[in-house]
Amino acid sequence: DGGITQSPKYLFRKEGQNVTLSCEQNLNHDAMYWYRQDPGQGLRLIYYSQIVNDFQKGDIAEGYSVSREKKESFPLTVTSAQKNPTAFYLCASSIVRQGGTEAFFGQGTRLTVV
Amino acid sequence: KNEVEQSPQNLTAQEGEFITINCSYSVGISALHWLQQHPGGGIVSLFMLSSGKKKHGRLIATINIQEKHSSLHITASHPRDSAVYICAVRRTYNYGQNFVFGPGTRLSVLP
Repeated sequence: DGGITQSPKYLFRKEGQNVTLSCEQNLNHDAMYWYRQDPGQGLRLIYYSQIVNDFQKGDIAEGYSVSREKKESFPLTVTSAQKNPTAFYLCASSIVRQGGTEAFFGQGTRLTVV
Repeated sequence: KNEVEQSPQNLTAQEGEFITINCSYSVGISALHWLQQHPGGGIVSLFMLSSGKKKHGRLIATINIQEKHSSLHITASHPRDSAVYICAVRRTYNYGQNFVFGPGTRLSVLP
């Protein structure tokens, strides 16, 4: 079955270390996204990519970096410059269909920085 | 004011009750999505709407484009329906191919 795979589900890191979250999709979708979710808040866009080798900053890109070397993969690196990295991170992909754009989401990675 | 708002914020129901969650938005959209997020965090897409009404099992979603309002109904609710339900819209103009998410409605269905 096609879908989006995020790994790991839970991740612990020490303050000051960079950490990379994995997102892989086998849906052949061009567009991929990274969102951050904090308690009581809606999902906020970190970065998105509409095509291989291209990506754009979202609303809260500071302290994060991404790459899109392959269509299937869109890893997110949380750098030491991110002031409040502890959060739940969701990866998504989308495809344009006749009735609109359909979105698919991963299971998320909960990052805790200690 | 948030571009997408939901009500209620929290909802507790008894098993079997009919449930309605509302979503209102203030921007032009090409589609509206209802998403379900379980306690583990993963999100499942329930519906994608651009007009009218859709039904899937015990779930019904409606949208009124003129009033910029959508509702998600759950008939004969069950404890396994307990989750956070999120309304998300996709703007009509090309703003980074972005979705705008509501804050979510936390539903608890008690046996």
